[in-house]
Amino acid sequence: DGGITQSPKYLFRKEGQNVTLSCEQNLNHDAMYWYRQDPGQGLRLIYYSQIVNDFQKGDIAEGYSVSREKKESFPLTVTSAQKNPTAFYLCATKRTDSSGNTIYFGEGSWLTVV
Amino acid sequence: KNEVEQSPQNLTAQEGEFITINCSYSVGISALHWLQQHPGGGIVSLFMLSSGKKKHGRLIATINIQEKHSSLHITASHPRDSAVYICAVNSGGGADGLTFGKGTHLIIQP
Repeated sequence: DGGITQSPKYLFRKEGQNVTLSCEQNLNHDAMYWYRQDPGQGLRLIYYSQIVNDFQKGDIAEGYSVSREKKESFPLTVTSAQKNPTAFYLCATKRTDSSGNTIYFGEGSWLTVV
Repeated sequence: KNEVEQSPQNLTAQEGEFITINCSYSVGISALHWLQQHPGGGIVSLFMLSSGKKKHGRLIATINIQEKHSSLHITASHPRDSAVYICAVNSGGGADGLTFGKGTHLIIQP
């Protein structure tokens, strides 16, 4: 089935460690996004990539890094510089066609830093 | 930057009731999305609207571009409809132009 796979679903890490969250898609979509969700807040954009080998910072990129070496993959690294990394992270892709833009989301990854 | 406000923030209703969730935004948009987030976190796109009305099963979404307002209706609500419903708008600015509301937490009691 076509879709977006995020892994791991749950991740616990010690403060000061870098963590990489995986996002893989087989939808053949060019655009991919990473969002962060905190309780009581709307989703906020961390990084996005509109094409392979290119990515741009979103609204809250500090303390995060990404790569886009393949169309299918857009991993997110939460570095030790991220001051409050405990959150829910969502990966998304976008399909653009004659009817407009449709956003597809993965199941998300819960990161807890202790 | 577009401001997206949803109301109510929380809604508890009895099974079978007609549900309405509202979304208002401050700046003109090219499209509005309604999303559903279940416990556990996964998000599903329900509707994308640029004008008028769309219906899918028991769900109806409407948008009034002049009034900068959209509503999501659920007819004959069921406990499986319990979820967080999120409104997001395409303003055209920024990376993907999407600005998200904080969501409406809906609980349907049997």
